[in-house]
Amino acid sequence: QVQLVQSGGALVKPGESLRLSCAISGFTFSGSFMSWIRQTPGKGLEWISYISESGDKIWYADSVKGRFTISRDNGKNSLYLQMNSLRAEDTAMYYCARPRFSSIDYWGQGTLVTVSS
Amino acid sequence: DVVMTQSPLSLPVTLGQPASISCTSSQSLVHRDGNTYLSWFQQRPGQSPRRLIYRVSNRDSGVPDRFSGSGSGTDFSLTISRVEAEDVGVYYCFQGTHWPALAFGGGTKVEIK
Repeated sequence: QVQLVQSGGALVKPGESLRLSCAISGFTFSGSFMSWIRQTPGKGLEWISYISESGDKIWYADSVKGRFTISRDNGKNSLYLQMNSLRAEDTAMYYCARPRFSSIDYWGQGTLVTVSS
Repeated sequence: DVVMTQSPLSLPVTLGQPASISCTSSQSLVHRDGNTYLSWFQQRPGQSPRRLIYRVSNRDSGVPDRFSGSGSGTDFSLTISRVEAEDVGVYYCFQGTHWPALAFGGGTKVEIK
């Protein structure tokens, strides 16, 4: 049974940092691209970052480039998103997800990040 | 970057009646490998999105056959042949052809009249 269990969401102040985690089971994590997608009421679903199987290919949307860092630990079957210099507009539900064959087949349950003073 | 535009924004439907959602991309979604990477996702209230359709018209395992996808190039649609109460939610199209900036449509909310 495939599971992507997320943690780390919280209420933080502008300028603060947060680290999201996603623990994967049920498929071969080390053989899978992984991604982070966020959802806001205003902008809908936004594809913000992905990382290749070994971590040698990484991409960020312009909206988070230079502030967010995606990483993975294949030994722990875990995906991470380090979020620095958070802004009010980063307030969203964040999902880890597996892109496969140019679609997305598995999603985490989501974790809520709220940035507010 | 490719922009995905869905219509309508909201779709009130009578139970048992058909529903259709349109999705238009700003560029052709035909990949150089010949495939068209257009998917449809359903998000029920309080849940994560769930894929229904991949590569335009292929239903995922467990998806009822009342859901069907069609289209080509830049114009696509998702049709529910007879809407049931469990189909309430928001539906999103998604393009996986033009990497790295993959993109979702803005969503269509299906509700029961």
